[in-house]
Amino acid sequence: KAGVTQTPRYLIKTRGQQVTLSCSPISGHRSVSWYQQTPGQGLQFLFEYFSETQRNKGNFPGRFSGRQFSNSRSEMNVSTLELGDSALYLCASSFKGVPQETQYFGPGTRLLVL
Amino acid sequence: QQQVKQSPQSLIVQKGGISIINCAYENTAFDYFPWYQQFPGKGPALLIAIRPDVSEKKEGRFTISFNKSAKQFSLHIMDSQPGDSATYFCAASGGGRGTSYGKLTFGQGTILTVHP
Repeated sequence: KAGVTQTPRYLIKTRGQQVTLSCSPISGHRSVSWYQQTPGQGLQFLFEYFSETQRNKGNFPGRFSGRQFSNSRSEMNVSTLELGDSALYLCASSFKGVPQETQYFGPGTRLLVL
Repeated sequence: QQQVKQSPQSLIVQKGGISIINCAYENTAFDYFPWYQQFPGKGPALLIAIRPDVSEKKEGRFTISFNKSAKQFSLHIMDSQPGDSATYFCAASGGGRGTSYGKLTFGQGTILTVHP
């Protein structure tokens, strides 16, 4: 089975721009979660989607948004980029997104905001 | 209430030694405690996980010890190898359905270096 894939792997943007990141979950997985990883804040939960619905959301500003398609693929969007948005963005998938399920992570998209 | 605190931040051990990483949590609703291993340029990968109804779980050289009353859990790596050099994260999940879907709360991570 193919693992979680994320595109692109690297991105360079300037402040004020917007960016869209993509995540393809493991086949059969319907839950996709997004995380931001930075040296200072570690791994922080952004949001989770299941069957095209956002079920859970972390403490991030409204500039961070996402969506999920009928094939479970997910995208996240960051508008009006700030320098502090530079991070590794990870997505993870699982069957149902319930707490005791294993989440499988993709390799991440490294975003640099200049 | 949602925090998971992890220590130490970094750890250096000799090949063959024991690596021990500790975590403490606050939210008593957490009911699943996984450990993830991350190599540079890769996403985290599940190493081992435990539920609070057991006090210890062992898989090969990796053991989780869990102390529910103290709200603490730890990862022990026996016979540490240079290939174990990576960043290790403890995590926790659980609680009310609305706040727990798809959410792992991570510790800050421990950079483990195993010298040959």
